[in-house]
Amino acid sequence: GENVEQHPSTLSVQEGDSAVIKCTYSDSASNYFPWYKQELGKGPQLIIDIRSNVGEKKDQRIAVTLNKTAKHFSLHITETQPEDSAVYFCAGLRGYQKVTFGTGTKLQVIP
Amino acid sequence: GAVVSQHPSWVICKSGTSVKIECRSLDFQATTMFWYRQFPKQSLMLMATSNEGSKATYEQGVEKDKFLINHASLTLSTLTVTSAHPEDSSFYICSARAGQTGSPLHFGNGTRLTVT
Repeated sequence: GENVEQHPSTLSVQEGDSAVIKCTYSDSASNYFPWYKQELGKGPQLIIDIRSNVGEKKDQRIAVTLNKTAKHFSLHITETQPEDSAVYFCAGLRGYQKVTFGTGTKLQVIP
Repeated sequence: GAVVSQHPSWVICKSGTSVKIECRSLDFQATTMFWYRQFPKQSLMLMATSNEGSKATYEQGVEKDKFLINHASLTLSTLTVTSAHPEDSSFYICSARAGQTGSPLHFGNGTRLTVT
C-alpha cells in the first residue's frame, strides 16, 4: 500500500516569512495529493490539492508542487499569518483507494 | 458546498454504555464515507470504510463488533461505540467523498469521546 512521509513534524516561522512542508510517497501510481489544515479540536479542512498531471498549483498565498519522478510534493505558504498556525497533513490517493495521510506538521507562526 | 456535519461534537459517557455518532453529508450524496480515529498529536487512523447499503469494511485491528457502522442512506452514516471503555476515549472524525475517484475528501468537525 501507499506510504506517505511528512517533514518536518514541527515548524516555527516569523509572521510574514514563508513555510514549506514536504511529503514523499511510495506508490508511483498515486494520482491525487490533497493538503489538509487541522485546527485544534476540529476536523481537517481541505486547503489545496493537486493531480498527477499537474506540476504546480497556486491559490493566493498557498501553493503545492509535485515532482512525480522523485515522488515528492510540497506545500508552500507565503506571507504567513498567525491564523495559519495549525497542523497540516498531506495525503496520497490512487483511484478508489483509501487516503493515506502523512504524520502531520505543526506550524507555528510567531507574531 | 460539500459540507459534512458530525454530531455530537463532544460526548461523555460511563464505561459499559454505548455511544452513537452521526455523520451527514448536507449538500451532496456520499456513496462512501470513512471513519477515522485520532489520538493527541497524531495523524488520522482509518478505522473503516462505510458503504451505503452494504457492510462496512474495517481496517486490520479494528473490532467490528465494538465499532458498529451503519450507512443507511446516501447522506447518513453512524458509528456506534458499544460497551465503551476509557481506552476508547478519542477524537473520532468522519469524511465523505463528493464524487468519484480522485474527488476531494471533506471532513466533519469530529467528535470528542470521553469515557469515564
